[in-house]
Amino acid sequence: GQQVQQSPASLVLQEGENAELQCNFSTSLNSMQWFYQRPEGSLVSLFYNPSGTKQSGRLTSTTVIKERRSSLHISSSQITDSGTYLCAMEDNYQLIWGSGTKLIIKP
Amino acid sequence: ETAVFQTPNYHVTQVGNEVSFNCKQTLGHDTMYWYKQDSKKLLKIMFSYNNKQLIVNETVPRRFSPQSSDKAHLNLRIKSVEPEDSAVYLCASSPWDWGGADTQYFGPGTRLLVL
Repeated sequence: GQQVQQSPASLVLQEGENAELQCNFSTSLNSMQWFYQRPEGSLVSLFYNPSGTKQSGRLTSTTVIKERRSSLHISSSQITDSGTYLCAMEDNYQLIWGSGTKLIIKP
Repeated sequence: ETAVFQTPNYHVTQVGNEVSFNCKQTLGHDTMYWYKQDSKKLLKIMFSYNNKQLIVNETVPRRFSPQSSDKAHLNLRIKSVEPEDSAVYLCASSPWDWGGADTQYFGPGTRLLVL
């Protein structure tokens, strides 16, 4: 079945550095979404990005369908960016989730 | 900020008891979901309801059952809980229409601990 590979599993950066998170999917893509999971577990929707590039503040999502990948770029990282980032793609009315990237931003 | 509301936030119970979790969305969406988040943080869909009709039912144990009174509410009942049911349960909604796709909006989650 459809699979989503997310990398890296964890990432430790100094405050101010840029972060690059990747998701690769095995077959054709209907849509790709990015979520941020707060430490207590609640989810925040970041991007719905089926193709192309979308930006929101310091966050940029780029989905390249032909290359079967989607990335999330965080520029000038801040300590409050720490948490788990999840990508998910749509497949037949449901979301197929990546395993997440745990991001730690150190002062 | 959130327009998907879940209660309770946290619930502790004994093996064999029945529990019920509530979810309400005020976004006017047509579709609601229940997910289970496992210990590895992976989210697995359990049920999906479109305007009170079940459209996806993953292979979850029969002790789990969704209950919907209208498209704004989707509750989850667990009869006779088991230790492996300990997890975070997330409710979500989307304006997803048949054949369409859109962003899902999540509630804060309900953490269940089965002793």
